[in-house]
Amino acid sequence: KQEVTQIPAALSVPEGENLVLNCSFTDSAIYNLQWFRQDPGKGLTSLLLIQSSQREQTSGRLNASLDKSSGRSTLYIAASQPGDSATYLCAVLRVSWGKFQFGAGTQVVVTP
Amino acid sequence: NAGVTQTPKFQVLKTGQSMTLQCAQDMNHNSMYWYRQDPGMGLRLIYYSASEGTTDKGEVPNGYNVSRLNKREFSLRLESAAPSQTSVYFCASSESGLNTEAFFGQGTRLTVV
Repeated sequence: KQEVTQIPAALSVPEGENLVLNCSFTDSAIYNLQWFRQDPGKGLTSLLLIQSSQREQTSGRLNASLDKSSGRSTLYIAASQPGDSATYLCAVLRVSWGKFQFGAGTQVVVTP
Repeated sequence: NAGVTQTPKFQVLKTGQSMTLQCAQDMNHNSMYWYRQDPGMGLRLIYYSASEGTTDKGEVPNGYNVSRLNKREFSLRLESAAPSQTSVYFCASSESGLNTEAFFGQGTRLTVV
């Protein structure tokens, strides 16, 4: 069974610091990995999609890397802002299952 | 651009009552999903539909039924609600295929008392 783990569960940083969020998964046979942002009481907003053949994907201040062999993805957010405060979730699309499987998320607070 | 629309946004049910959560997407996606989100547990898949007319159980299907009415709509029914079904429910859709991106609705917050 695929396990998707996000550590730490919560993180607090001062404004301007870079954020590093981790996602690990036990089954390396995946089609892709997707990072989402969730604001309190809201739905999930897609941030980045990394295909299995890619090693990284970038959008503005966000950069996500994927290392299938070690079962890890890292989301980097440069120069964090209070508006980056949210919960960040990763999800993997497994070859054997064909559906998205989620980690429990990392709750981020960026203090002014 | 509506994307994925869920109704209702909030609902309170008494134990034993039934209800249907509605979901519609306007992106012409083949695949649709129902997830529930509970504190500390992430999102867990309840049911999945790969295409119109097909449905498949996910990780936590007990107590739920689904209907893929057409390509746009995928409903989730609770026949006899239980307090353990208190949760936030999310509908999502995606293209079928290998490199597909999931899009989510805003969620339905359900409380069963």
